[in-house]
Amino acid sequence: DAKTTQPPSMDCAEGRAANLPCNHSTISGNEYVYWYRQIHSQGPQYIIHGLKNNETNEMASLIITEDRKSSTLILPHATLRDTAVYYCIVRVAGNQGGKLIFGQGTELSVKP
Amino acid sequence: NAGVMQNPRHLVRRRGQEARLRCSPMKGHSHVYWYRQLPEEGLKFMVYLQKENIIDESGMPKERFSAEFPKEGPSILRIQQVVRGDSAAYFCASSLFGSQSNEQFFGPGTRLTVL
Repeated sequence: DAKTTQPPSMDCAEGRAANLPCNHSTISGNEYVYWYRQIHSQGPQYIIHGLKNNETNEMASLIITEDRKSSTLILPHATLRDTAVYYCIVRVAGNQGGKLIFGQGTELSVKP
Repeated sequence: NAGVMQNPRHLVRRRGQEARLRCSPMKGHSHVYWYRQLPEEGLKFMVYLQKENIIDESGMPKERFSAEFPKEGPSILRIQQVVRGDSAAYFCASSLFGSQSNEQFFGPGTRLTVL
């Protein structure tokens, strides 16, 4: 399984962009990058996913480097409610669907 | 459009009792996944089911744990003869299709406490 490396914690000022990095240097060509977050022991919340191209939705943007060995999740205007643990996950190919393998994630603290 | 539903939200059992956790997937979803989060630890995959079939149970403990997803009704995660180490939050997720390009949506979890 491809492993991911994330900083354990980050701070961000409210209203500023939060840029969360993730390294996945052993990713295979057909494996997707997923981002989830977990707010205070609630169920994980899906944010975004991508394969090769950059992606954007109403929550965030996902920037994947050309060699696919790293990616960055961008929350354009962080609010206090974005304080959470953010998980970068490489979705295993095959296995009829692919379980999500969660690492330790990045604990993002958005401060006023 | 209701999301993934889990019940009960909190469950207290004494050692040796049985725990039954229920998960109703999102409407139209036929793929269900169970994850466990022990206190102060990360989420760990347990089992992946499609209607009436277990697809991947590589994360399930070898004993006392079982899961099913019948043709009708919710998915059930069953823990027999619970021990204190089973105390954890159990999350269910569902997806529309069983492919890696398809996102999983999580429920609010069931918090099991074993006394």
